[in-house]
Amino acid sequence: NAGVTQTPKFQVLKTGQSMTLQCAQDMNHNSMYWYRQDPGMGLRLIYYSASEGTTDKGEVPNGYNVSRLNKREFSLRLESAAPSQTSVYFCASRRRGGTEAFFGQGTRLTVV
Amino acid sequence: DQQVKQNSPSLSVQEGRISILNCDYTNSMFDYFLWYKKYPAEGPTFLISISSIKDKNEDGRFTVFLNKSAKHLSLHIVPSQPGDSAVYFCAAEAGNNRKLIWGLGTSLAVNP
Repeated sequence: NAGVTQTPKFQVLKTGQSMTLQCAQDMNHNSMYWYRQDPGMGLRLIYYSASEGTTDKGEVPNGYNVSRLNKREFSLRLESAAPSQTSVYFCASRRRGGTEAFFGQGTRLTVV
Repeated sequence: DQQVKQNSPSLSVQEGRISILNCDYTNSMFDYFLWYKKYPAEGPTFLISISSIKDKNEDGRFTVFLNKSAKHLSLHIVPSQPGDSAVYFCAAEAGNNRKLIWGLGTSLAVNP
């Protein structure tokens, strides 16, 4: 079982460039999440999708867009990257009525 | 405004002793609480959870206690092992919105 797979694992962008972080889960989970983790800031929710076809803003959505392409995939897009978006990004998924969320390995993004 | 607070950034204990990690919350609507463990360069992994209708949940060496009147929960690890050295996150959610709100984490070091 692959669980939650994120690509890429590492990325360096120049300010103003765009990119999409990909996330896929093979556990047939309904809910999917994107978080960012910064030093001293814990995990902050960017966007989440409670079920296929729905997305909602989290705590820090500015500068990001998401797409719940199907039940398996939930992508995060940076339209115009800024140095403040340098962070480690985690995707997670959770089944309907489930307790625990399963996380991917993370994407370490640096914007210069 | 931090709704889930872990006021101790770090904790150091001796192998075999008890580790107690604390978490406070401010939102009385939270009805489910989870603890996650995170090793460097990996995504968080689920450890243990508790519903607000309970005051204790136990799983092997790990026990979570919930004091709703004080809006406080704690994770006890007995006995502590060097492999328990990691960052521990407390998370909470309210009702069916499926959004987990996270604390900043406590870095636990278990010394041999």
